Amino acid sequence: EVQLAESGGGLVQTGRSLRLSCRASGFTFADYAMNWVRQAPGKGLEWVSFIRSEDDGGAAESAASVKGRFTVSRDDFNSVVYLQMNSLEAGDTATYYCTRGRRPDGGTSYYYFDYWGQGTLVTVSS
Amino acid sequence: DIQMTQSPSTLSASVGDRVTITCRASQSISVWLAWYQQKPGKAPKLLISKASILESGVPSRFSGSGSGTEFALTISSLHPDDFATYYCQQYHSYSHAFGLGTKLDIK
Repeated sequence: EVQLAESGGGLVQTGRSLRLSCRASGFTFADYAMNWVRQAPGKGLEWVSFIRSEDDGGAAESAASVKGRFTVSRDDFNSVVYLQMNSLEAGDTATYYCTRGRRPDGGTSYYYFDYWGQGTLVTVSS
Repeated sequence: DIQMTQSPSTLSASVGDRVTITCRASQSISVWLAWYQQKPGKAPKLLISKASILESGVPSRFSGSGSGTEFALTISSLHPDDFATYYCQQYHSYSHAFGLGTKLDIK
């Protein structure tokens, strides 16, 4: 059974940093891209970052709203993906979901999300 | 950036009704569209990928259609478990944009 378990959320002051972790199990972690998607309280979903599998080049990308502040990385040996969040702003307050990315063999280089963790809440306050 | 527009934002319906939610992309995304269902306090659940491919385990009363810029999610006969919020998401471009969601509630 595929499981994704996020941790590391909490209350943090504006301008500070936080690192989220997501431990995966039930599948061959190294074979898949991993993503972070967030949801502000009472709002919709926003893709944050992806990191491709090493076999797919290993590249990482982030949304314009977090580029330069957030960095995604992965540890394939321990089946963990991280989201390092720096210079946090009030607008980053959200539940952060770890998701497994899937894409077809051709036609697009981007992902839909077939498994989601339970989410971890990040609250940024002055 | 590709923008995704869902309509309606809220839909009131009864058990047994047939309902359709639409999703429009600001430019062509071919068939690279997914649909998700989210219940309060829970993570989203994947229903459909590639516009019309039903995920394993998803009831056959759910169906997806469309290509290019116009897409639809149809529930053929609403069950009590279907009252939730539904999101579309494009994966044609790097923004992976979601629609703002359609809340389906009981009339």
